[in-house]
Amino acid sequence: DAKTTQPPSMDCAEGRAANLPCNHSTISGNEYVYWYRQIHSQGPQYIIHGLKNNETNEMASLIITEDRKSSTLILPHATLRDTAVYYCIARTGANNLFFGTGTRLTVIP
Amino acid sequence: ETGVTQSPTHLIKTRGQQVTLRCSSQSGHNTVSWYQQALGQGPQFIFQYYREEENGRGNFPPRFSGLQFPNYSSELNVNALELDDSALYLCASSPRDRPPYEQYFGPGTRLTVT
Repeated sequence: DAKTTQPPSMDCAEGRAANLPCNHSTISGNEYVYWYRQIHSQGPQYIIHGLKNNETNEMASLIITEDRKSSTLILPHATLRDTAVYYCIARTGANNLFFGTGTRLTVIP
Repeated sequence: ETGVTQSPTHLIKTRGQQVTLRCSSQSGHNTVSWYQQALGQGPQFIFQYYREEENGRGNFPPRFSGLQFPNYSSELNVNALELDDSALYLCASSPRDRPPYEQYFGPGTRLTVT
């Protein structure tokens, strides 16, 4: 599975959009991009996944570049409850998830 | 639909003892994966069970073992506990038969070894 690179931390003002970048330059054609988040001491929460097309669900939007070498998770209106560590993972099939260090997002009032 | 559940929530054991952690998978999910999360780090893959057999293992010694039952629930057993085994143990279930195989996590079991 491709290695992913994320900034270690980001801040976002409450009510504004949070844009979390992820680099996965060695991703292969059949690898999905998954995003999870983990609020302190809880189990990781699945957010969204994508393969080639941009995706949107009730939690977030996922924008994948045309060459698939990077992606951005967008939380459209960040709230204090969105403060968490966000993990971007590239994965083939039903393999295990490899969690890197993630991005610690802090939403500021 | 019931989510992934784990028991117990917290556990304190002494070095050298053995521990069993339990996980009930989400309805319709036939694959269970276990992860260890040390303080301040991301979850690390221990192993995965599918159809009651181990189907992939991370870099963990044999004293970490598991079981999956016909109802897809699972156990993680750790023998000869060491202080470094203190961590949050996470269970995740997923449907192996249809992509994209997203995993859903339980709340975890906090194990403290003294």
